[in-house]
Amino acid sequence: DGGITQSPKYLFRKEGQNVTLSCEQNLNHDAMYWYRQDPGQGLRLIYYSQIVNDFQKGDIAEGYSVSREKKESFPLTVTSAQKNPTAFYLCASSITAGGSYNEQFFGPGTRLTVL
Amino acid sequence: GENVEQHPSTLSVQEGDSAVIKCTYSDSASNYFPWYKQELGKRPQLIIDIRSNVGEKKDQRIAVTLNKTAKHFSLHITETQPEDSAVYFCAASMDGGSQGNLIFGKGTKLSVKP
Repeated sequence: DGGITQSPKYLFRKEGQNVTLSCEQNLNHDAMYWYRQDPGQGLRLIYYSQIVNDFQKGDIAEGYSVSREKKESFPLTVTSAQKNPTAFYLCASSITAGGSYNEQFFGPGTRLTVL
Repeated sequence: GENVEQHPSTLSVQEGDSAVIKCTYSDSASNYFPWYKQELGKRPQLIIDIRSNVGEKKDQRIAVTLNKTAKHFSLHITETQPEDSAVYFCAASMDGGSQGNLIFGKGTKLSVKP
């Protein structure tokens, strides 16, 4: 399961604090994504990026921010404005830019708990 | 926007039986439909996908069917085995998923009893 990594695996945060989740890939993929997974809710898209220095809001972007300064990295910041941040966060990447191959490869996830 | 409904939310079968999971989508422009399997504590992994120009696709014990008119697609697993136990997610998107707009169903927890 190499290629896309997330750290840390578990993260604890106090209310009112911002926290940044790391996502790195060495697959040379152009596109990267952040999802939030809650029990019984499936995967919901937070942000995605198709190229360096560009990203788009997903369905639940409020309270989150991202950056894409390097092709390999797409960190997610969970801000204090996110009202219910406790969840499992999954990062994914895929080949894009007009190609027909669109499989998204997922990282192992980060479980964030707000204390 | 697109909405994907997935049923059932839980499914229990005996080893060797077949399992069927169904999804419906709302946007007739959707043209790419992947299925992901997530084992307990692990990351989701693509197991099969289908595009709107195909009605059925099969890979060993797994098959997916697509009915564009009715806007639904289904995952069929035959001769189930205990290692098939996992949560399965369907998804739908336009443009082959290249726009990052995969919309997932809420998942089906499949339990295969030995």
